[in-house]
Amino acid sequence: ILNVEQSPQSLHVQEGDSTNFTCSFPSSNFYALHWYRWETAKSPEALFVMTLNGDEKKKGRISATLNTKEGYSYLYIKGSQPEDSATYLCASGSYNTDKLIFGTGTRLQVFP
Amino acid sequence: GAGVSQSPSNKVTEKGKDVELRCDPISGHTALYWYRQSLGQGLEFLIYFQGNSAPDKSGLPSDRFSAERTGGSVSTLTIQRTQQEDSAVYLCASSLGVTAIRNYGYTFGSGTRLTVV
Repeated sequence: ILNVEQSPQSLHVQEGDSTNFTCSFPSSNFYALHWYRWETAKSPEALFVMTLNGDEKKKGRISATLNTKEGYSYLYIKGSQPEDSATYLCASGSYNTDKLIFGTGTRLQVFP
Repeated sequence: GAGVSQSPSNKVTEKGKDVELRCDPISGHTALYWYRQSLGQGLEFLIYFQGNSAPDKSGLPSDRFSAERTGGSVSTLTIQRTQQEDSAVYLCASSLGVTAIRNYGYTFGSGTRLTVV
C-alpha cells in the first residue's frame, strides 16, 4: 500500500446503530496513525494518535485499534448519535517525511 | 491566539482573478502546512514551512500557486488567475515541529472555502 486509503467513502446509519470504518496505510517507515473528526464549517479535531502495534484508544463512545504489521486501523462508534455526523479522516506519519498523509475520509451521517 | 485562524472563511471569485488566503498559526508553532480538499477528494498537501528552512513546495499543483510566511508567523497562500478546478476548502495547520507532528499531529484552522465561478 503506497497511499492512505479509507473505506467506506460514506455511511448513513440510524441513531443508536454501531458502526466502524477502516484506514489502510503504508507499514514501512511507519511512525504514527492519526484520526481526526471534521464537522462542516469547523476545524478538523484530533481524536487519537496511535503508534504501537496493538494500540487501542477510547474516547467516550469512539474507539480505535491499530495493526502496524499489516497496515490498518479501525475506528468504532458505539450507539451513533446525530452529533457524530462528520467526516472522519485518518493520516499516516512516517520517519521518511515531515508531513502527514491523509486518506480521503469517511463521511458519516447519523439520522434521528 | 488560542487557535489557528484563517481568513476569509468563504471566498467567491471570478475565473481569472487572483486570490489571497491568510493563515495565522498558534504562537510559537514553527511548522505550518497548507492542504486543500476538493469535492470528493482527500486532503491534498500543498506546501510546508518549518522555521527558517526553505519551504517544501512539492505539493503545489501549478506555478499559479505560491505561498509565503513572514516573520515565521502569518502565512499567505496566493492563487493567480484562478480556475474552476481551484475550487476547494483550503486548510492551514500548525505544529510545534516535526517531532510534535509525529506525536500529536496538527492543529487545524477552520478553512477557507474557495469557489471559482
